[in-house]
Formats: sequence, C-alpha cells, structure tokens
Amino acid sequence: SAVISQKPSRDICQRGTSLTIQCQVDSQVTMMFWYRQQPGQSLTLIATANQGSEATYESGFVIDKFPISRPNLTFSTLTVSNMSPEDSSIYLCSARGGTEAFFGQGTRLTVV
Amino acid sequence: KNEVEQSPQNLTAQEGEFITINCSYSVGISALHWLQQHPGGGIVSLFMLSSGKKKHGRLIATINIQEKHSSLHITASHPRDSAVYICAGGGGGADGLTFGKGTHLIIQP
Repeated sequence: SAVISQKPSRDICQRGTSLTIQCQVDSQVTMMFWYRQQPGQSLTLIATANQGSEATYESGFVIDKFPISRPNLTFSTLTVSNMSPEDSSIYLCSARGGTEAFFGQGTRLTVV
Repeated sequence: KNEVEQSPQNLTAQEGEFITINCSYSVGISALHWLQQHPGGGIVSLFMLSSGKKKHGRLIATINIQEKHSSLHITASHPRDSAVYICAGGGGGADGLTFGKGTHLIIQP
C-alpha cells in the first residue's frame, strides 16, 4: 500500500496566473497519473507522468497548458498555466504499483 | 476506447437500508476499482477487483467478468456512508483509469 500526499488541497487563483500542484508518494511506484474533474463531470486523464522524460498527454491536453514533471519515482508536479475560470476543477494525482491504484486527496482549484 | 457506465446517478435512502450501485464496463478493462469521494474532493480506494467478490466491513464488491458488470453493496447503511461512489476501469497495463460519472449517495437518519 502507498500513501499519496497532494498539496495544496485547495486554492483560489487569479486568472492569468499559474498554480503548481505537488504529489509525493511514500514508496516507489511504477506509474503516476494526473486527472481533472470539472464540475459535474467524471474524472478525466490529463497525462501520464514519466520519470525522467516528457509526460504523455491525452487528447485535448497540451504541455504548454499543463506542464508536468516527474524527477524521480516518488514525486510529480502538475502546473496549470495561464489560468482561466474554465480551469476551475478538482485535480487529482494517482499512482499505480502493480495492480493497485492509489489516490491523492485532490486539489480543488477555483479561478476568479 | 474504454467506457464505464454507472447507475444510479443519485440515490437517497434511509439509514439501515441495503444499498446497491451498479457499474458496466467495456471490453479492454481487466480490473475494476471502486472509489469513495468525499465533498472536499479526496478519493479513497475501496476495492480493486479482477474476479469474484471482496468484502470489507459493511462493503461488498462483486464482479461478473462474462457480463462485464460490477456491483458495490453497502449493508446496514449509515449517514456517514454519504459520499460519491465511483467505479473506474483499467486495462492493467501502463494506461490510466477510465472513470464512471459517480453515484451521489445520501443516507438519511
């Protein structure tokens, strides 16, 4: 079992600014993912965070808007860049070790 | 593309009732997760199933691989069970999960 610490848990940001969300796992995991949950919608995969290389983005998500880092097997960051009110969502970090999936507590972002 | 369909979308019940939430999934999904999301957005993993049945306390999860269907049951429901319950499917490889829309459960005292 792994425990994920995700922060911040919530933030209110001005449009045009950027926010970096951090995700720390207490043990080495093979895969790390970032998801977005827009109001009233299901969680949607943004990208797979690859250790030591560029993230793999899903259709509709681009690196310029959501740059992701994963410098080692236990840590990853997601930045939401040049924010607009449409970016108001819950952002969730997840990790996989074998067949198990682990989740952070989520970051509730409001852009005003 | 993997798909996960969940029902009902909303469920209100009285304390003590037996609760069932259903999830159907598409070919390509080999592991099914049941998750609990609290109002703040945080998610707790309840079960991961690839076959059979699992039980933890008052929670029971079953999966029928042939029918590509899974159910989450709550026995002797309690107001503290009120949350959003989400099923999510994965292919077991390096891909992320596909999530259902969630079931918003309210247990009234």
